[in-house]
Amino acid sequence: KAGVTQTPRYLIKTRGQQVTLSCSPISGHRSVSWYQQTPGQGLQFLFEYFSETQRNKGNFPGRFSGRQFSNSRSEMNVSTLELGDSALYLCASRKDRYTEAFFGQGTRLTVV
Amino acid sequence: AQSVTQLGSHVSVSEGALVLLRCNYSSSVPPYLFWYVQYPNQGLQLLLKYTSAATLVKGINGFEAEFKKSETSFHLTKPSAHMSDAAEYFCAVTPNRGGATNKLIFGTGTLLAVQP
Repeated sequence: KAGVTQTPRYLIKTRGQQVTLSCSPISGHRSVSWYQQTPGQGLQFLFEYFSETQRNKGNFPGRFSGRQFSNSRSEMNVSTLELGDSALYLCASRKDRYTEAFFGQGTRLTVV
Repeated sequence: AQSVTQLGSHVSVSEGALVLLRCNYSSSVPPYLFWYVQYPNQGLQLLLKYTSAATLVKGINGFEAEFKKSETSFHLTKPSAHMSDAAEYFCAVTPNRGGATNKLIFGTGTLLAVQP
């Protein structure tokens, strides 16, 4: 059974640019969540999608957005990148709240 | 709002010694509880989970955790540390209330060092 796949693994972008990250969940999982991990703030919830609908959103500015497609694959987009957006972005797929979330290896975004 | 507290951002133990990593949650309704481990530049891997079945939960790699409702705790233990246990450990909860959510709320993490 294939795990959660995130692409790309590493990205370097310039301030002001925008970026799109991709996540393919485990087959059969309709719930996809995104998290930002930084040394200062730890793991913070960005948003959650379930069956193409955003179900929850964390406390992040509107520059952070996402979507989910009918095959459950998800993308997140960050526009007008700032230096503080440099982080490891993790995607997790989950069957339901009673079972564990499976994480991808993350996308390491560096904004210069 | 639901929160998770991990006491001790850094814990150092000797190889073969007991590992104890602390986690407390804040919720009047016991949430679903999880421990994850993260190795450098990797995603998170599940160690174990509590979803209102047995209060003593056994996980992978010899780890276990005990859910104590009276103490709102879910501490992680391992009887004998191994060098390969050196990693960062995160306690996480999913609220067990009305309303649909699968989001995880994480503690700040505990970096475990194992000395030879």
